[in-house]
Amino acid sequence: ETGVTQSPTHLIKTRGQQVTLRCSSQSGHNTVSWYQQALGQGPQFIFQYYREEENGRGNFPPRFSGLQFPNYSSELNVNALELDDSALYLCASSLDTNTEAFFGQGTRLTVV
Amino acid sequence: GQQLNQSPQSMFIQEGEDVSMNCTSSSIFNTWLWYKQDPGEGPVLLIALYKAGELTSNGRLTAQFGITRKDSFLNISASIPSDVGIYFCAGPSIQGAQKLVFGQGTRLTINP
Repeated sequence: ETGVTQSPTHLIKTRGQQVTLRCSSQSGHNTVSWYQQALGQGPQFIFQYYREEENGRGNFPPRFSGLQFPNYSSELNVNALELDDSALYLCASSLDTNTEAFFGQGTRLTVV
Repeated sequence: GQQLNQSPQSMFIQEGEDVSMNCTSSSIFNTWLWYKQDPGEGPVLLIALYKAGELTSNGRLTAQFGITRKDSFLNISASIPSDVGIYFCAGPSIQGAQKLVFGQGTRLTINP
């Protein structure tokens, strides 16, 4: 059984650019949640996808968007990058919306 | 909004000492989760608490769900070097079970 995997592990982008981060959920899991973790802070919930539909969203602007595919893998897209978007982006998958979530190792995004 | 406050923010202890940290909130949580995050990794679930007053152990770790449902405690006995890391408390947001709110973390450093 493979765990949650995220790609890439590190990324450097310029302010104003767009970025796509990818997450492969754990085998059998249909729910994926994305979190942003700024340096020295706890993770903050961005949004959740359940069976390819958005299922709840945190306090993030519309330039943060996502997708979930039929195999339950997921993408996080961020448009018009700002310096404050620099953070560790974590993906967590769970069997459904009410069971324990398992986190990937994260993607470290640096915006310069 | 929902916020979790952890204390202390950091701890410096000697190997073999016991550790105690806590997490408080101004709002009620029906579930309390304790995670550990190592550098460059995602959070890993240590203990989950589901009932007020519940005391749960996982090896040298013990966590309690406060009676008021507004706090939780994590204790680590006989600390060892691999206990080093950042410990987060978390609970379900008002949006749902796996849309988690995290505290800001307690950083544990152990002197050998």
